[in-house]
Amino acid sequence: DIQMTQSPSSLSASVGDRVTLTCRASEGVRTWLAWYQQKPGKAPKLLIYAASSLQRGVPSRFSGSGSGTDFTLTISSLQPEDSATYYCQQANSFPRTFGQGTKLEIK
Amino acid sequence: EAHLVESGGGLVQPGGSLRLSCGASGFSFSDYEMNWVRQAPGKGLEWLSYISISGNTLFYADSVKGRFTISRDNAKSSLYLQMNSLRADDTAVYYCVRVSEWVAIDSWGQGTLVTVSS
Repeated sequence: DIQMTQSPSSLSASVGDRVTLTCRASEGVRTWLAWYQQKPGKAPKLLIYAASSLQRGVPSRFSGSGSGTDFTLTISSLQPEDSATYYCQQANSFPRTFGQGTKLEIK
Repeated sequence: EAHLVESGGGLVQPGGSLRLSCGASGFSFSDYEMNWVRQAPGKGLEWLSYISISGNTLFYADSVKGRFTISRDNAKSSLYLQMNSLRADDTAVYYCVRVSEWVAIDSWGQGTLVTVSS
């Protein structure tokens, strides 16, 4: 099974900061990588698919990059509503696997 | 807009069974692959199972293989998860999810809580 490792596990940043979250796969997943945002008590929401494509309706401050084993999710200018836990998921092979999540807090 | 509604969760004793259902609306259910994903209290997301559009191709996480069975009824726009031999560590919110053409989960239900306890 492909293991997905996210770093950091938690992060605190200020409004307006540029924030980068990392996801690493234990083996190559090409660009079959998605990012999700989950707020407390809510279902996750798709942000990025195919490593770098922005889901319709998601603010353009979110962007994704990477291929193979190393991926990043960048928030260009952090907003208060971006406080959430972020998960990556590989869709290259079964079983699909999620990273353990990065909890992002606003200072 | 896609709408997914899970039902069937609840309290069940260890070793017991439960069948989750998911009703889909707002899209052509028979055109999409579907998955189940769960989240234990305070924990991360865990992918559980996949079913193809026809229902002929199935995949499972090792943690549920042999105990859970995914199925679908395209005529009823419904997805199911039969859960047998339930254990305490199966306690979680279970999400019915739609897979997009780009193999990402683009629609989630609100989730249904399954609690396995004596």
